[in-house]
Amino acid sequence: DAKTTQPNSMESNEEEPVHLPCNHSTISGTDYIHWYRQLPSQGPEYVIHGLTSNVNNRMASLAIAEDRKSSTLILHRATLRDAAVYYCIRISYNTDKLIFGTGTRLQVFP
Amino acid sequence: GAGVSQSPRYKVTKRGQDVALRCDPISGHVSLYWYRQALGQGPEFLTYFNYEAQQDKSGLPNDRFSAERPEGSISTLTIQRTEQRDSAMYRCASSLVVGTSTDTQYFGPGTRLTVL
Repeated sequence: DAKTTQPNSMESNEEEPVHLPCNHSTISGTDYIHWYRQLPSQGPEYVIHGLTSNVNNRMASLAIAEDRKSSTLILHRATLRDAAVYYCIRISYNTDKLIFGTGTRLQVFP
Repeated sequence: GAGVSQSPRYKVTKRGQDVALRCDPISGHVSLYWYRQALGQGPEFLTYFNYEAQQDKSGLPNDRFSAERPEGSISTLTIQRTEQRDSAMYRCASSLVVGTSTDTQYFGPGTRLTVL
């Protein structure tokens, strides 16, 4: 049970912002939201994570809704290299395993 | 620095044979995880270790699958009497500290297992 819901696929043009949504309506107060992505023929790689506040790093931004039932991964300027499957994962405090869903396949067009 | 490494990268075996898949985590990483990934699917958790102790093996499909990490570093996932349904990409990951909720898992390149 992945406990998160994501669209199967999304498309973007290069250099445009991309907003990848994730629904986690049954989230509990101590659950973190992590995003990983998997480029073609590679292992998953960490993107970003957060608990309540919005988070920014060099790769992306994570916007978490005030009620924490949803979140959005924001790629500010998509590049061709960002084409990947993006996984939104809900992790309970001190849980040590990632439960991957089917993710969102992002296509980026030049 | 060096990332997570796995060997072999590809393994083809005949049904009924035993296979051993190796994972070498990032130096100093306390936790080590095993996942299995079927084509077109997300990775599926198998088991994990903190140091040398196996903490959770709830994802191992059956008793033909076992894993060990005797010295808290390198880990081996063993599949006995392989079956065709065991064919998949087997991925290993490691993390610096215990507790994935606030830490990052770093994944290796995987071992592609094909059972004929």
